[in-house]
Amino acid sequence: ELKVEQNPLFLSMQEGKNYTIYCNYSTTSDRLYWYRQDPGKSLESLFVLLSNGAVKQEGRLMASLDTKARLSTLHITAAVHDLSATYFCAVEKSGGGADGLTFGKGTHLIIQP
Amino acid sequence: ETGVTQSPTHLIKTRGQQVTLRCSSQSGHNTVSWYQQALGQGPQFIFQYYREEENGRGNFPPRFSGLQFPNYSSELNVNALELDDSALYLCASSSGPLNQPQHFGDGTRLSIL
Repeated sequence: ELKVEQNPLFLSMQEGKNYTIYCNYSTTSDRLYWYRQDPGKSLESLFVLLSNGAVKQEGRLMASLDTKARLSTLHITAAVHDLSATYFCAVEKSGGGADGLTFGKGTHLIIQP
Repeated sequence: ETGVTQSPTHLIKTRGQQVTLRCSSQSGHNTVSWYQQALGQGPQFIFQYYREEENGRGNFPPRFSGLQFPNYSSELNVNALELDDSALYLCASSSGPLNQPQHFGDGTRLSIL
């Protein structure tokens, strides 16, 4: 059974600081996704990581994937209040497109002025 | 481009009742996936439909069932509702059964009293 673990589950940080969210998964995966969710809202796709060593950046967010370590990171640079949200990583099992995505429990991020 | 739309946005039911939730796929997408997101948790995969057939299912009992129509819209039906069914139900469409959804609908918030 594929398991996805995120840490930390809760993070409070100050504006201007840097931090990293970690996502570990238990079995071989074809793809890894990062989503953002604002309170009461749906999921917004941030990144799709397809191969070992993949790195993608959008604004103050950068995601990377190490398939050998079964680890993805989401790095936040010089955080701003607008990035406050819950961030989920989700993993697609190898060859298992029809099995859906397995999500972590999410990291609830609060960025304070 | 029309996104994924879900209806209703909110619904209140009582234990033992039955409910039907609806989803219209993004234009050009022939595959729909449904997820259940309990409060404070990550989404959990319920099932996926492709060309009107269920082709993947998560760990949910048979009282969770679905339909996909020729226009690729979809329904999620839940019978014999239980208190634990209270959750946000998310629908997402994709361009094929091996392509994971990038775009989720806004969800239906189901409350069971």
